[in-house]
Amino acid sequence: SQQGEEDPQALSIQEGENATMNCSYKTSINNLQWYRQNSGRGLVHLILIRSNEREKHSGRLRVTLDTSKKSSSLLITASRAADTASYFCATVFSGNTGKLIFGQGTTLQVKP
Amino acid sequence: DTGVSQDPRHKITKRGQNVTFRCDPISEHNRLYWYRQTLGQGPEFLTYFQNEAQLEKSRLLSDRFSAERPKGSFSTLEIQRTEQGDSAMYLCASSFGGNYNEQFFGPGTRLTVL
Repeated sequence: SQQGEEDPQALSIQEGENATMNCSYKTSINNLQWYRQNSGRGLVHLILIRSNEREKHSGRLRVTLDTSKKSSSLLITASRAADTASYFCATVFSGNTGKLIFGQGTTLQVKP
Repeated sequence: DTGVSQDPRHKITKRGQNVTFRCDPISEHNRLYWYRQTLGQGPEFLTYFQNEAQLEKSRLLSDRFSAERPKGSFSTLEIQRTEQGDSAMYLCASSFGGNYNEQFFGPGTRLTVL
């Protein structure tokens, strides 16, 4: 079974608005990663945040991690139509083999 | 292109047939992972290799599934006696180093079993 739950399952916004997606998980992690997937394609790695980090930025992306609440959020600022995709969080348990445990994803639609 | 590649990109087969997929990881990556993704779901881990050694297999990987990485470079995933429930996207990813590094994914092989 998948470890993470993502919220919302679907999100529709206008170009230029910010999009926030949330991810919750159940067990202690070494790191949490966010991926983007365009329809029917492979996954593109966005950001990796380690359990001892609280916030990371990459361009228009901001990821936070709260290990006490076992949750993470991905913020995309000034969204563009090209950001339309599914976004997945994936966790790596402490002490495991590095396999990723994915949530069910958030489908983001950015309207031009 | 030096990313992860997968072949074929699409495969349509009849129930009961065998299929084999290939993954070529990024050349210096020692770890290779296979995942399966069904429609509307996140990917699920199937198995992984460190160099040529298969170190973990998910219980999702029934006896009909076998994976190899004979020389620690490319990998193959074979499904014998395919069933309609095997229809999914099969994703390969590779990484370098230990357990906690980012994984780079290939474009996937979409399998349809009729």
